[in-house]
Amino acid sequence: EVQLLESGGGLVQPGGSLRLSCVTSGFIFSSSAMGWVRQAPGKGLEWVSTVEGSGATKYADSVKGRFTISRDKSKSMLYLQMDSLRAEDTALYYCARWITDTGFDYWGQGSLVTVSS
Amino acid sequence: AIQMTQSPSSLSASVGDRVTISCRASQDIRNELGWYQQKPGKAPNLLIYSTSSLQSGVPSRFSGSGSDTDFTLTISSLQPEDFATYYCLHDANYPLSFGGGTKVEI
Repeated sequence: EVQLLESGGGLVQPGGSLRLSCVTSGFIFSSSAMGWVRQAPGKGLEWVSTVEGSGATKYADSVKGRFTISRDKSKSMLYLQMDSLRAEDTALYYCARWITDTGFDYWGQGSLVTVSS
Repeated sequence: AIQMTQSPSSLSASVGDRVTISCRASQDIRNELGWYQQKPGKAPNLLIYSTSSLQSGVPSRFSGSGSDTDFTLTISSLQPEDFATYYCLHDANYPLSFGGGTKVEI
């Protein structure tokens, strides 16, 4: 059974940093593409970042230069390092498995990040 | 970047109704579009990929169509468990982008 579980969210001041983690199981993580999608309170979905099976990384313009996606294949873990956080980064952050030509087929339950003074 | 515009933003329907939701891309995305369902407090769920392919386990009352810039999600006979918010997502290139969502209400 495929499982994804995010952690690391919380309250952080503007300009601060936070690292989200996503532990995965039930599939071959090392060859899988993974991504992060966020949802601000009461708003729609926004793609944030993807790391492809090759290791190539992609980012939304809104987070480029501030967020870094990475993975630890030995631990089947996905990460999102978030720096220079802004109020508009406040959202529920989902990690999800990405299948090329298919989409995000498995999702975690989300980790809430609140950026506020 | 490609922009995705969904319509309507919300709709009211009854059990048994046929429901259609539209998604328009700002440029040609071929057939590289998926549809997701999200219920309150839950993660999104993939329904349709590559415009018209049904994800495993998704009921056949859901279908997708379209090409290039105009796409449609159809629910042939709305069931009580289908009341939710629906999003399109293009994956033609990066950055990926979702439509704004369509809330289907009773």
